[in-house]
Amino acid sequence: SQQGEEDPQALSIQEGENATMNCSYKTSINNLQWYRQNSGRGLVHLILIRSNEREKHSGRLRVTLDTSKKSSSLLITASRAADTASYFCATDAGSSGDKLTFGTGTRLAVRP
Amino acid sequence: GAVVSQHPSRVICKSGTSVKIECRSLDFQATTMFWYRQFPKKSLMLMATSNEGSKATYEQGVEKDKFLINHASLTLSTLTVTSAHPEDSSFYICSAPRVGSSYEQYFGPGTRLTVT
Repeated sequence: SQQGEEDPQALSIQEGENATMNCSYKTSINNLQWYRQNSGRGLVHLILIRSNEREKHSGRLRVTLDTSKKSSSLLITASRAADTASYFCATDAGSSGDKLTFGTGTRLAVRP
Repeated sequence: GAVVSQHPSRVICKSGTSVKIECRSLDFQATTMFWYRQFPKKSLMLMATSNEGSKATYEQGVEKDKFLINHASLTLSTLTVTSAHPEDSSFYICSAPRVGSSYEQYFGPGTRLTVT
């Protein structure tokens, strides 16, 4: 069963605006990751945040993690049309290389 | 460049036939690979964990006799959909853990299966 729920399910913004996506999960985790998927393609890893971290940055991406609320957010700043894709959070609770449980995903559309 | 490949990228087959999908790690060895299934506009559902040299571990509700997994070498895992039915039509994606950096996974580009 899917552990993660993401909201919104779909988001449409204008180029240049910021996009925020949220993810909630149910069980304890070791790490939480965010992946991007272009339509009909595989997933690309964006960023990983460990359970003992609260915030992490990578370029235009900012991820937060609140383990007390079992939630995470992904912020994409100064969005571009090329950011249009689906974004998934994924959690793992086991050892290195363990299986991931994916959230339901947010479909982001950035209008030029 | 891609570090995990899948073949074929698209396949159309008739009901009752079997289809094999390959997942290869390029330039690295993967003792473990994962197979996912994804319906349109939905999330990825883990089907099974492919283990080199041993039997695959299937998730609850996934029929092991229906979805045969063979991890033949450290760079190749195959998923065979046996006696395919239209409801097996889906997007199948494999992944392999990133070497040396734990937890992150490389994903293949996916295989679109259509059963007519």
